[in-house]
Amino acid sequence: KAGVTQTPRYLIKTRGQQVTLSCSPISGHRSVSWYQQTPGQGLQFLFEYFSETQRNKGNFPGRFSGRQFSNSRSEMNVSTLELGDSALYLCASSPAEYGVYGYTFGSGTRLTVV
Amino acid sequence: AQSVTQLGSHVSVSEGALVLLRCNYSSSVPPYLFWYVQYPNQGLQLLLKYTSAATLVKGINGFEAEFKKSETSFHLTKPSAHMSDAAEYFCAVSDNSGNTPLVFGKGTRLSVIA
Repeated sequence: KAGVTQTPRYLIKTRGQQVTLSCSPISGHRSVSWYQQTPGQGLQFLFEYFSETQRNKGNFPGRFSGRQFSNSRSEMNVSTLELGDSALYLCASSPAEYGVYGYTFGSGTRLTVV
Repeated sequence: AQSVTQLGSHVSVSEGALVLLRCNYSSSVPPYLFWYVQYPNQGLQLLLKYTSAATLVKGINGFEAEFKKSETSFHLTKPSAHMSDAAEYFCAVSDNSGNTPLVFGKGTRLSVIA
Protein backbone atom coordinates (compact mmCIF):
# COMPACT_ATOMS: atom_id res chain seq x y z
CA LYS A 1 0.00 0.00 0.00
CA ALA A 2 1.56 3.27 -1.09
CA GLY A 3 2.12 5.88 1.60
CA VAL A 4 1.44 9.59 1.55
CA THR A 5 3.31 11.16 -1.35
CA GLN A 6 4.41 14.77 -1.28
CA THR A 7 5.95 16.56 -4.22
CA PRO A 8 8.37 18.11 -4.66
CA ARG A 9 10.70 17.07 -1.81
CA TYR A 10 12.78 20.21 -2.01
CA LEU A 11 12.02 23.66 -3.33
CA ILE A 12 13.90 26.94 -3.43
CA LYS A 13 11.92 30.09 -4.13
CA THR A 14 12.57 33.81 -4.08
CA ARG A 15 10.76 36.26 -1.84
CA GLY A 16 7.56 37.48 -3.44
CA GLN A 17 7.03 34.39 -5.54
CA GLN A 18 4.26 31.89 -5.02
CA VAL A 19 4.50 28.14 -4.60
CA THR A 20 2.20 25.14 -4.85
CA LEU A 21 2.82 21.94 -2.93
CA SER A 22 1.11 18.67 -3.70
CA CYS A 23 -0.01 15.78 -1.53
CA SER A 24 -1.43 12.42 -2.57
CA PRO A 25 -2.98 10.60 0.41
CA ILE A 26 -3.14 6.89 1.00
CA SER A 27 -5.77 5.30 -1.20
CA GLY A 28 -9.14 5.42 0.56
CA HIS A 29 -8.15 8.20 2.95
CA ARG A 30 -10.50 11.15 2.69
CA SER A 31 -8.95 13.43 5.28
CA VAL A 32 -5.85 15.45 4.45
CA SER A 33 -4.16 17.85 6.84
CA TRP A 34 -1.23 20.17 6.36
CA TYR A 35 1.32 21.20 8.97
CA GLN A 36 4.22 23.62 8.92
CA GLN A 37 7.31 22.58 10.86
CA THR A 38 10.01 25.07 11.83
CA PRO A 39 12.73 24.89 14.49
CA GLY A 40 11.28 27.86 16.33
CA GLN A 41 7.56 27.20 16.22
CA GLY A 42 7.50 23.43 15.94
CA LEU A 43 4.57 21.76 14.23
CA GLN A 44 1.72 24.13 13.47
CA PHE A 45 -1.59 23.20 11.92
CA LEU A 46 -2.38 24.85 8.62
CA PHE A 47 -5.65 23.33 7.46
CA GLU A 48 -7.61 20.12 7.12
CA TYR A 49 -9.78 18.90 4.30
CA PHE A 50 -12.35 16.17 4.38
CA SER A 51 -14.25 15.20 1.26
CA GLU A 52 -13.19 18.39 -0.56
CA THR A 53 -14.39 20.65 2.27
CA GLN A 54 -12.07 22.68 4.45
CA ARG A 55 -12.99 21.67 7.97
CA ASN A 56 -10.69 23.96 9.87
CA LYS A 57 -7.89 26.42 9.35
CA GLY A 58 -4.98 27.28 11.58
CA ASN A 59 -3.75 30.71 12.52
CA PHE A 60 -1.94 31.58 9.31
CA PRO A 61 -2.34 34.59 7.04
CA GLY A 62 -4.52 34.45 3.96
CA ARG A 63 -1.42 33.95 1.82
CA PHE A 64 -1.70 30.31 2.77
CA SER A 65 -4.49 28.45 1.02
CA GLY A 66 -5.34 24.94 0.06
CA ARG A 67 -7.81 22.74 -1.68
CA GLN A 68 -8.75 19.11 -2.04
CA PHE A 69 -9.83 17.40 -5.21
CA SER A 70 -12.47 14.72 -5.71
CA ASN A 71 -9.77 12.02 -5.67
CA SER A 72 -8.68 13.31 -2.22
CA ARG A 73 -5.40 14.70 -3.53
CA SER A 74 -4.62 18.04 -1.98
CA GLU A 75 -2.59 21.10 -2.82
CA MET A 76 -1.51 24.01 -0.72
CA ASN A 77 -0.47 27.35 -2.11
CA VAL A 78 1.58 30.10 -0.56
CA SER A 79 1.55 33.45 -2.30
CA THR A 80 3.93 36.37 -1.87
CA LEU A 81 6.54 34.26 -0.15
CA GLU A 82 8.42 35.66 2.83
CA LEU A 83 11.70 34.48 4.30
CA GLY A 84 9.80 33.23 7.35
CA ASP A 85 7.87 30.78 5.19
CA SER A 86 10.98 28.62 4.94
CA ALA A 87 9.94 25.38 6.60
CA LEU A 88 9.18 21.72 6.21
CA TYR A 89 5.58 21.35 5.06
CA LEU A 90 4.03 18.07 6.07
CA CYS A 91 0.91 16.50 4.70
CA ALA A 92 -0.94 13.79 6.57
CA SER A 93 -3.89 11.63 5.67
CA SER A 94 -6.41 9.64 7.64
CA PRO A 95 -9.45 7.56 6.83
CA ALA A 96 -11.49 9.61 9.32
CA GLU A 97 -11.89 13.26 10.08
CA TYR A 98 -9.04 14.84 12.04
CA GLY A 99 -7.13 11.60 12.17
CA VAL A 100 -8.66 10.27 15.34
CA TYR A 101 -7.26 6.92 14.32
CA GLY A 102 -3.87 8.50 13.75
CA TYR A 103 -2.47 10.31 10.79
CA THR A 104 -0.04 8.90 8.26
CA PHE A 105 2.47 11.56 7.31
CA GLY A 106 4.37 12.10 4.12
CA SER A 107 8.08 12.87 4.06
CA GLY A 108 7.39 16.55 3.57
CA THR A 109 8.39 19.31 1.21
CA ARG A 110 11.36 21.38 2.34
CA LEU A 111 10.73 24.95 1.18
CA THR A 112 13.56 27.45 1.29
CA VAL A 113 12.78 31.09 0.55
CA VAL A 114 15.76 33.25 -0.38
CA ALA B 1 -8.21 24.62 24.03
CA GLN B 2 -5.93 21.65 24.11
CA SER B 3 -2.20 21.66 24.56
CA VAL B 4 0.66 19.34 25.38
CA THR B 5 3.89 20.02 27.19
CA GLN B 6 6.91 17.85 26.63
CA LEU B 7 9.37 18.14 29.46
CA GLY B 8 12.93 18.22 28.20
CA SER B 9 13.81 19.27 24.68
CA HIS B 10 16.73 16.84 24.71
CA VAL B 11 17.12 13.53 26.51
CA SER B 12 20.27 11.45 26.39
CA VAL B 13 20.43 7.79 27.47
CA SER B 14 22.95 4.99 27.22
CA GLU B 15 22.29 2.05 24.95
CA GLY B 16 20.34 -0.55 26.93
CA ALA B 17 19.02 1.97 29.45
CA LEU B 18 15.41 2.89 30.10
CA VAL B 19 13.90 5.54 27.84
CA LEU B 20 11.39 7.90 29.47
CA LEU B 21 9.97 10.83 27.51
CA ARG B 22 7.48 12.98 29.35
CA CYS B 23 4.24 14.45 28.06
CA ASN B 24 1.56 16.31 29.99
CA TYR B 25 -1.65 17.39 28.37
CA SER B 26 -4.28 19.99 28.97
CA SER B 27 -7.76 19.33 27.65
CA SER B 28 -11.24 20.36 28.72
CA VAL B 29 -12.74 17.21 27.20
CA PRO B 30 -11.59 13.58 27.14
CA PRO B 31 -8.57 13.57 24.88
CA TYR B 32 -7.07 11.32 22.32
CA LEU B 33 -3.30 11.19 22.72
CA PHE B 34 -0.58 10.22 20.29
CA TRP B 35 3.16 9.75 20.15
CA TYR B 36 4.98 10.24 16.87
CA VAL B 37 8.64 9.79 15.97
CA GLN B 38 10.55 11.72 13.33
CA TYR B 39 13.87 10.63 11.89
CA PRO B 40 16.08 13.18 10.11
CA ASN B 41 14.66 14.37 6.80
CA GLN B 42 11.56 12.25 7.27
CA GLY B 43 7.91 12.76 8.08
CA LEU B 44 6.29 11.67 11.33
CA GLN B 45 5.58 8.04 12.10
CA LEU B 46 2.84 7.04 14.52
CA LEU B 47 4.28 5.09 17.47
CA LEU B 48 1.09 4.60 19.48
CA LYS B 49 -2.24 6.19 20.36
CA TYR B 50 -4.64 6.35 23.27
CA THR B 51 -8.29 6.58 22.30
CA SER B 52 -10.04 5.86 25.62
CA ALA B 53 -9.64 2.10 25.62
CA ALA B 54 -6.86 0.52 27.69
CA THR B 55 -4.81 3.06 29.63
CA LEU B 56 -1.55 1.20 28.94
CA VAL B 57 -0.90 1.40 25.25
CA LYS B 58 1.70 -0.65 23.43
CA GLY B 59 3.17 0.65 20.23
CA ILE B 60 5.74 -0.24 17.65
CA ASN B 61 9.47 -0.77 18.22
CA GLY B 62 8.95 -1.78 21.88
CA PHE B 63 7.52 1.56 23.04
CA GLU B 64 4.57 1.93 25.35
CA ALA B 65 2.77 4.75 27.12
CA GLU B 66 0.37 4.97 30.03
CA PHE B 67 -2.54 7.37 30.19
CA LYS B 68 -2.88 8.78 33.72
CA LYS B 69 -5.88 11.03 34.03
CA SER B 70 -5.08 12.06 37.61
CA GLU B 71 -1.67 13.31 36.50
CA THR B 72 -2.78 14.47 33.02
CA SER B 73 0.20 12.59 31.67
CA PHE B 74 1.00 10.28 28.79
CA HIS B 75 4.68 9.44 29.19
CA LEU B 76 6.47 7.29 26.62
CA THR B 77 8.77 4.50 27.79
CA LYS B 78 10.96 1.78 26.39
CA PRO B 79 12.80 -0.67 28.66
CA SER B 80 16.03 -0.82 26.68
CA ALA B 81 17.26 1.87 24.28
CA HIS B 82 18.77 0.98 20.92
CA MET B 83 20.97 3.20 18.81
CA SER B 84 18.24 3.20 16.19
CA ASP B 85 15.87 4.94 18.65
CA ALA B 86 17.76 8.21 18.27
CA ALA B 87 15.22 10.59 16.76
CA GLU B 88 12.78 13.40 17.60
CA TYR B 89 9.63 12.39 19.48
CA PHE B 90 6.39 14.35 19.48
CA CYS B 91 3.39 14.04 21.76
CA ALA B 92 0.06 15.21 20.32
CA VAL B 93 -3.50 15.66 21.56
CA SER B 94 -6.90 15.99 20.00
CA ASP B 95 -10.37 15.81 21.43
CA ASN B 96 -12.57 12.84 20.71
CA SER B 97 -15.31 14.73 18.92
CA GLY B 98 -13.63 14.91 15.55
CA ASN B 99 -13.84 18.69 15.55
CA THR B 100 -10.27 19.68 16.32
CA PRO B 101 -6.94 18.99 14.66
CA LEU B 102 -3.93 17.47 16.36
CA VAL B 103 -1.97 19.80 18.59
CA PHE B 104 1.67 18.84 18.91
CA GLY B 105 4.20 19.40 21.64
CA LYS B 106 7.55 21.00 20.88
CA GLY B 107 9.27 17.65 20.65
CA THR B 108 12.02 15.84 22.53
CA ARG B 109 15.22 14.86 20.81
CA LEU B 110 16.45 11.50 22.03
CA SER B 111 20.15 10.71 21.81
CA VAL B 112 21.43 7.19 22.50
CA ILE B 113 25.04 6.83 23.60
CA ALA B 114 26.95 3.65 22.86
